[in-house]
Amino acid sequence: DVKVTQSSRYLVKRTGEKVFLECVQDMDHENMFWYRQDPGLGLRLIYFSYDVKMKEKGDIPEGYSVSREKKERFSLILESASTNQTSMYLCASSLQTGTYGYTFGSGTRLTVV
Amino acid sequence: TQLLEQSPQFLSIQEGENLTVYCNSSSVFSSLQWYRQEPGEGPVLLVTVVTGGEVKKLKRLTFQFGDARKDSSLHITAAQTGDTGLYLCAGERPGNTGKLIFGQGTTLQVKP
Repeated sequence: DVKVTQSSRYLVKRTGEKVFLECVQDMDHENMFWYRQDPGLGLRLIYFSYDVKMKEKGDIPEGYSVSREKKERFSLILESASTNQTSMYLCASSLQTGTYGYTFGSGTRLTVV
Repeated sequence: TQLLEQSPQFLSIQEGENLTVYCNSSSVFSSLQWYRQEPGEGPVLLVTVVTGGEVKKLKRLTFQFGDARKDSSLHITAAQTGDTGLYLCAGERPGNTGKLIFGQGTTLQVKP
């Protein structure tokens, strides 16, 4: 069964901490994405990567960075966590074309206190 | 700018009723997808439609892509409590390889 695995289901971090969210896929997909999901705002794209070491900003990249050193792994980094980054974070992967759909991880519920 | 508008945003119905969710845009999409998300989980792909006018059925769910490839609908017949969840439509813009634009979602509650 194909999978996208996010390292943590729940995280609680303090304001100012550096936070790492890890995502691993086992489908040899080229594309990987990080979204945040907030009530009333839907899914908003933070960053995506279409190849190893390649990245592109999404709609809300401020306060975040990403790393993709290996094809199967895509990390989201909150450089200095703030309370407005409290959210559900979803990782997804897909083939080069989005036509075949995204496979999502189960999400990480991050609370910044 | 919200490129994909879903309606209604919330829907609460009794088991056995029928319902339709709409996904509309002024933009053309090369494909459109529907996902369902349950609380605490990531969205799961239900279907992809590619051809204008295409209709796909998945048991009690019927998906339609508009002729102009700008809109889509999801119809559920005889809803069951297991259909409860957040339904998301997502479109792929021509030439925007790999990136999907998501609607804001429709929260469906089916009461027994």
